[in-house]
Amino acid sequence: GDSVTQKQGQVTLSEDDFLFINCTYSTTTYPTLLWYVQYLGQGPQLLLKVTTANNKGISRGFEATYDKGTTSFHLQKASVQESDSAVYFCALVASSGSWQLIFGSGTQLTVMP
Amino acid sequence: NSKVIQTPRYLVKGQGQKAKMRCIPEKGHPVVFWYQQNKNNEFKFLINFQNQEVLQQIDMTEKRFSAECPSNSPCSLEIQSSEAGDSALYLCASTLGDRNAEQFFGPGTRLTVL
Repeated sequence: GDSVTQKQGQVTLSEDDFLFINCTYSTTTYPTLLWYVQYLGQGPQLLLKVTTANNKGISRGFEATYDKGTTSFHLQKASVQESDSAVYFCALVASSGSWQLIFGSGTQLTVMP
Repeated sequence: NSKVIQTPRYLVKGQGQKAKMRCIPEKGHPVVFWYQQNKNNEFKFLINFQNQEVLQQIDMTEKRFSAECPSNSPCSLEIQSSEAGDSALYLCASTLGDRNAEQFFGPGTRLTVL
């Protein structure tokens, strides 16, 4: 079945540091991969979507790419700010059923001023 | 920014009580999903609808939850008899329905079962 693995549970950076979060996935079809950000007390907000048609996405200074060979996709940002502190989730659209999302376990990003 | 509306934001119930939450999807989005996010940030898909019809639901939802998406009214998810393990953030998401279409989430309803 489909699965997503997100191993980095917590990341602590200083402002202007480089951010890199990685996920690996397993699916039986062409993947649709997403990154969501969830701020405290809010629902997840879509950050980026990557498919086989566009294996890279860029939004709000964040960049997402995927590697079919290693079945991994990652999120990066060149220079994080304190306001980027949140939980970041990778997600995969399920290959069977009715397109529900399968989420990774989340990465809590804390950016120190 | 998402325009999915969820009410109430917070819900406190005793064990055995009914717990009902509502969702208004983004305008023009025919597909609605409900997810449960627990305190460990684990997401569980519960049920989804296309217009008024159930597309898929998990066994737990079929047995213990009541859900609907009537036309011209908010979608709703109701736990028939709340249990302590139901304490979680319940998230509603809507989408255009294509497999590659983005799902946009509401702020969630935080349910606490005492």
